[in-house]
Amino acid sequence: DVKVTQSSRYLVKRTGEKVFLECVQDMDHENMFWYRQDPGLGLRLIYFSYDVKMKEKGDIPEGYSVSREKKERFSLILESASTNQTSMYLCASSGPGQGIANSPLHFGNGTRLTVT
Amino acid sequence: GENVEQHPSTLSVQEGDSAVIKCTYSDSASNYFPWYKQELGKGPQLIIDIRSNVGEKKDQRIAVTLNKTAKHFSLHITETQPEDSAVYFCAASSPMNRDDKIIFGKGTRLHILP
Repeated sequence: DVKVTQSSRYLVKRTGEKVFLECVQDMDHENMFWYRQDPGLGLRLIYFSYDVKMKEKGDIPEGYSVSREKKERFSLILESASTNQTSMYLCASSGPGQGIANSPLHFGNGTRLTVT
Repeated sequence: GENVEQHPSTLSVQEGDSAVIKCTYSDSASNYFPWYKQELGKGPQLIIDIRSNVGEKKDQRIAVTLNKTAKHFSLHITETQPEDSAVYFCAASSPMNRDDKIIFGKGTRLHILP
């Protein structure tokens, strides 16, 4: 089974802090994704990457950046955390197949970030 | 771009009864339709998916139907059990394209009543 591991289950940070959310997958997947999940808004894509050192903006990239230095690791960075970034963050990966958007996603269990 | 609407947002069914969740999509080029189940405290997990070259797919108590003409697809769970209680997300995506993204519905919270 694919395992996607997010380093923290819960995080509490202060406004203005730089925050790193880490994600590691063990199935040699090319594609990795960061979503945020908010009640009533579903899953919204922040950034994704289809190869090492490659990144693409999703639907809500403002206030975020990402880093993919190794194939198995995809980091989400909040340069200066704000209270409206309080949310559940989900990392996902997918392998090759029928296109980056046409392959099953494997999600981690999420990081609940609170910014105070 | 693609837009996916999901209904209902909340659904309560008696244990043993069937549950149906419906989604509509806007992009007629979409050809991949997965369903994800999210249990409390966990990330979403793929439970079934369908591609546009088939109209129905079944896996034990779960089935998905697709109507490409009407641009809607549905998840059917029969003989519901307590462990079916979760949030379910539908999604749709367009053909192979590095810039394309999978678009999720807003989710349905399913409660199985004892």
